[in-house]
Amino acid sequence: AQSVTQPDIHITVSEGASLELRCNYSYGATPYLFWYVQSPGQGLQLLLKYFSGDTLVQGIKGFEAEFKRSQSSFNLRKPSVHWSDAAEYFCAVRSDTGRRALTFGSGTRLQVQP
Amino acid sequence: EAGVAQSPRYKIIEKRQSVAFWCNPISGHATLYWYQQILGQGPKLLIQFQNNGVVDDSQLPKDRFSAERLKGVDSTLKIQPAKLEDSAVYLCASSLGQRAYQPQHFGDGTRLSIL
Repeated sequence: AQSVTQPDIHITVSEGASLELRCNYSYGATPYLFWYVQSPGQGLQLLLKYFSGDTLVQGIKGFEAEFKRSQSSFNLRKPSVHWSDAAEYFCAVRSDTGRRALTFGSGTRLQVQP
Repeated sequence: EAGVAQSPRYKIIEKRQSVAFWCNPISGHATLYWYQQILGQGPKLLIQFQNNGVVDDSQLPKDRFSAERLKGVDSTLKIQPAKLEDSAVYLCASSLGQRAYQPQHFGDGTRLSIL
């Protein structure tokens, strides 16, 4: 069964600093990987996705993520964090065969200090 | 393009009462999902529809939860009777189709509190 681990429950960074949020997945074949962001009281917004090809993917709001098959990781990065990036971030994996449900990690809450 | 609409935004009920949530997906989206998000956790899929047929309801507690998508557009999710552990945010999402590369678009959710 597929699973996702986000080892950091809560991260605090200063505005303007770089950010990396960790995501490890467990899946038998090549996974479809996603990062979503959730602001308080709102639904999830897709930041970026990886299906195949270039392992470094660009997303919205200046985010990028790198797929590393050898490490079963799909870490999210941003070179300079803005106060508006404070939110909860979810990594998710999905299969394109069989049960196609999105499986989410437990999330990382990002706090941005001025 | 209008997003996924959900109502109500908030609902407070007592245990053993019943409650219903409504979702209107993005126009033209054939696939509709209901997720349950318990505080501090990621969303968990409850049920997936393709048009008006159920594709996956393996995680739906069928003794108390039910869902329907009549006419393949709007959907309702019902809980009867509610338990304390049902306190969560219920998210509806839709996508053009079931393929993994077709992104899911989420509504703002309904926050349910059980007293």
